[in-house]
Amino acid sequence: SQKIEQNSEALNIQEGKTATLTCNYTNYSPAYLQWYRQDPGRGPVFLLLIRENEKEKRKERLKVTFDTTLKQSLFHITASQPADSATYLCALNTNAGKSTFGDGTTLTVKP
Amino acid sequence: EAQVTQNPRYLITVTGKKLTVTCSQNMNHEYMSWYRQDPGLGLRQIYYSMNVEVTDKGDVPEGYKVSRKEKRNFPLILESPSPNQTSLYFCASSREGQPGSQETQYFGPGTRLLVL
Repeated sequence: SQKIEQNSEALNIQEGKTATLTCNYTNYSPAYLQWYRQDPGRGPVFLLLIRENEKEKRKERLKVTFDTTLKQSLFHITASQPADSATYLCALNTNAGKSTFGDGTTLTVKP
Repeated sequence: EAQVTQNPRYLITVTGKKLTVTCSQNMNHEYMSWYRQDPGLGLRQIYYSMNVEVTDKGDVPEGYKVSRKEKRNFPLILESPSPNQTSLYFCASSREGQPGSQETQYFGPGTRLLVL
């Protein structure tokens, strides 16, 4: 069966450092992958999308990579700030409309 | 303001009493979807709709019904709710529903449901 794993439930880092979150998947051939941010009690908010034929995408302090051979995506937040503290979700999507989310990684950035 | 709205935001009900959670988007989006979120299980897709009158099952459709009679609305129906449907529900929409072009999903604020 399809499985998505995000590294560790929680990640704690110091302000200014780079946070790296991992999303691994098995038994899945996604057309594209998305990363979302979710704050407590609120709906997920889209951050970045990367397609199967793309290796890397950047947006301001965010970077995502996608390795379909390793079946892995890495999500980086550089120069992290306490305001980046949240839960980050990866989602794999087919072209037919199906979306599968990981359980999320809760990032805490300490001042 | 572009948004996805859900009603009600909070609901307490009893086993077996039919209920409907409404979802509406004002962005003229083709694609809409329902998810439930449970601790330790993440977001799981219930149903989705690529376009009006087109709906498909997600990973956890049992016990739920949907309809897509018009583009802006995608209600979630629980015909006979049970305690295991106690959860946080999210509706989402995205601009295009054609394969290969689905992009970011915009999520609603969530509906917290408790079935006693």
